[in-house]
Amino acid sequence: KAGVTQTPRYLIKTRGQQVTLSCSPISGHRSVSWYQQTPGQGLQFLFEYFSETQRNKGNFPGRFSGRQFSNSRSEMNVSTLELGDSALYLCASSIDANYGYTFGSGTRLTVV
Amino acid sequence: AQSVAQPEDQVNVAEGNPLTVKCTYSVSGNPYLFWYVQYPNRGLQFLLKYITGDNLVKGSYGFEAEFNKSQTSFHLKKPSALVSDSALYFCAVSLTTSGTYKYIFGTGTRLKVLA
Repeated sequence: KAGVTQTPRYLIKTRGQQVTLSCSPISGHRSVSWYQQTPGQGLQFLFEYFSETQRNKGNFPGRFSGRQFSNSRSEMNVSTLELGDSALYLCASSIDANYGYTFGSGTRLTVV
Repeated sequence: AQSVAQPEDQVNVAEGNPLTVKCTYSVSGNPYLFWYVQYPNRGLQFLLKYITGDNLVKGSYGFEAEFNKSQTSFHLKKPSALVSDSALYFCAVSLTTSGTYKYIFGTGTRLKVLA
């Protein structure tokens, strides 16, 4: 059974640019969540989508946005990149959060 | 405020010795509790979860966790540590209140198993 696939694995972008990250969940999983992981701040929740609807949102500025498609695949977008956006972005999918999440390997974003 | 605490940034243990990684939580209601492990440059992997029932939960790779409701703790344990257990461990809780759900991670504990 295929796991959670995140693309690309690595990205280097310049300040002010925008970026789109992609996540393909495990087949049958309708819940997709995104997290930002940095050494200083740890694991921070960005948002969660369930059946194409944003169900939960963390405390991130509006530059961070996401969406989920009818096949449960999800994308997150960060506009006007700042140096502080450099992080590992993790996507996780689940049948239901109470069953636990399966995480992808992440996309490492570096903003220069 | 609802929170999950992992009071130790790092835990060092000798190979073959028992290990404990601590987790306490402060949430209302009856949360579901989880442990995840993260190896370098990888995503988190699910280890085990507690929903109801027996307070001792067994999970992957020989890990187990003990739920203690009175102390609101969910410590991760393993009877005999391996060098390959060295990784970053996260505790998490999932709870549903008033129709909305929340999933909260602790800050993580780095486990170092010394040969």
